[in-house]
Amino acid sequence: QVQLQESGPGLVKPSETLSLTCTVSGGSINSGNYYWSWIRQPAGKGLEWIGRIYRGSTDYSPSLKSRVTISADTSKNQLSLTLNSVTAADTAVYYCARTPYSRHFDYWGQGTLLTVSS
Amino acid sequence: QSALTQPASVSGSPGQSITISCTGTSSDIGYYNYVSWYQQHPGKVPKLMIYDVSSRPSGVSNRFSGSKSGNTASLTISGLQAEDEADYYCSSFTISGTLVFGGGTKLTVL
Repeated sequence: QVQLQESGPGLVKPSETLSLTCTVSGGSINSGNYYWSWIRQPAGKGLEWIGRIYRGSTDYSPSLKSRVTISADTSKNQLSLTLNSVTAADTAVYYCARTPYSRHFDYWGQGTLLTVSS
Repeated sequence: QSALTQPASVSGSPGQSITISCTGTSSDIGYYNYVSWYQQHPGKVPKLMIYDVSSRPSGVSNRFSGSKSGNTASLTISGLQAEDEADYYCSSFTISGTLVFGGGTKLTVL
């Protein structure tokens, strides 16, 4: 059973850079036809796809592409999300999810709340 | 890319059937059969209900079904139950190689 667990600082100041980690257990992030995505959800609002990584190759949402980087550490079986120049609009619950064949999201982490505030 | 369009809310009585629509473009829903649907109860993690337009993951009730016509996908829930009350989101793979979500639909079971 694949499990994903996000972790992060919880609070980031405006204009700073946020960094989140997703630790995957029960399967290697480097095996199979599994992409790995980051998704976020502001309180009371809908889901927004941020981007994904597959064996080092990445794709990003056009709206966030200039500020986001997704990477993977296969030795730790972890994904990372970096978002720079954050504003209050980046306050959200951030999820990581497994993405089979890059088509849908079958396993999700519990999410981590990231608040941008001074 | 723009978000897919879903109705803000739908409602139905127990035992009835409801359908939630999800409208995209010829660059996403209309191009690929890679539409998925997610159920999210308040404070919970989204759950995959339908993938590849009409496939159900193991463990998902057969009361949930999906379809597509042109640029519009649909999720139908038959035999509505109280526990179906939740937010529902559609998602599609796009011609740009990205993924996009709909704005979400709140289902109320009357």
